[in-house]
Amino acid sequence: KAGVTQTPRYLIKTRGQQVTLSCSPISGHRSVSWYQQTPGQGLQFLFEYFSETQRNKGNFPGRFSGRQFSNSRSEMNVSTLELGDSALYLCASSTPTSGPSGEQFFGPGTRLTVL
Amino acid sequence: TQLLEQSPQFLSIQEGENLTVYCNSSSVFSSLQWYRQEPGEGPVLLVTVVTGGEVKKLKRLTFQFGDARKDSSLHITAAQPGDTGLYLCAGTRWLTDSWGKLQFGAGTQVVVTP
Repeated sequence: KAGVTQTPRYLIKTRGQQVTLSCSPISGHRSVSWYQQTPGQGLQFLFEYFSETQRNKGNFPGRFSGRQFSNSRSEMNVSTLELGDSALYLCASSTPTSGPSGEQFFGPGTRLTVL
Repeated sequence: TQLLEQSPQFLSIQEGENLTVYCNSSSVFSSLQWYRQEPGEGPVLLVTVVTGGEVKKLKRLTFQFGDARKDSSLHITAAQPGDTGLYLCAGTRWLTDSWGKLQFGAGTQVVVTP
């Protein structure tokens, strides 16, 4: 079974630009979550989508948005980029289980550098 | 402030030594997961613990979930250079977080030298 794929793997943008990152979950997984990882803050939850609906949102400004398509693929968008948005953006997919485990499987991430 | 406090932040040991990483919180968690992450890659799931007091063994790795479901530990026996990486604990809080939202610890960087 193919894992979670993220594209692109690397991006360089300048301040003020916008960026769109893509994530394809494991086949059959309907939940996609996004995280931002930085050296100072570690892994921080951005948002979670399930069946095309945003179920949870983390504590990030409105410049960060996302969506999920009917095939469970997801995109996240960051508008008006700031230097502090430089980070590794990770996507994780999961599937409902009958118990509380909710294991998440991560993609390799997109490394975004804002100059 | 992270809900999950990991200690130590950094561990450097020789091949063959044992090590333990701790993950503590004041919150109750439905489950806790341990991941290992290598530079430039996404975290790879090692194990999920669900039941208070649960102990899981995967070869040289032993994972424990506290009785009150507020803490966990990872013990590696006879560490090898291939165990080098960033170890992250993560979990979903009981009655607060959906299973799609993980709270992460800051991580423990483990370096095993030959």
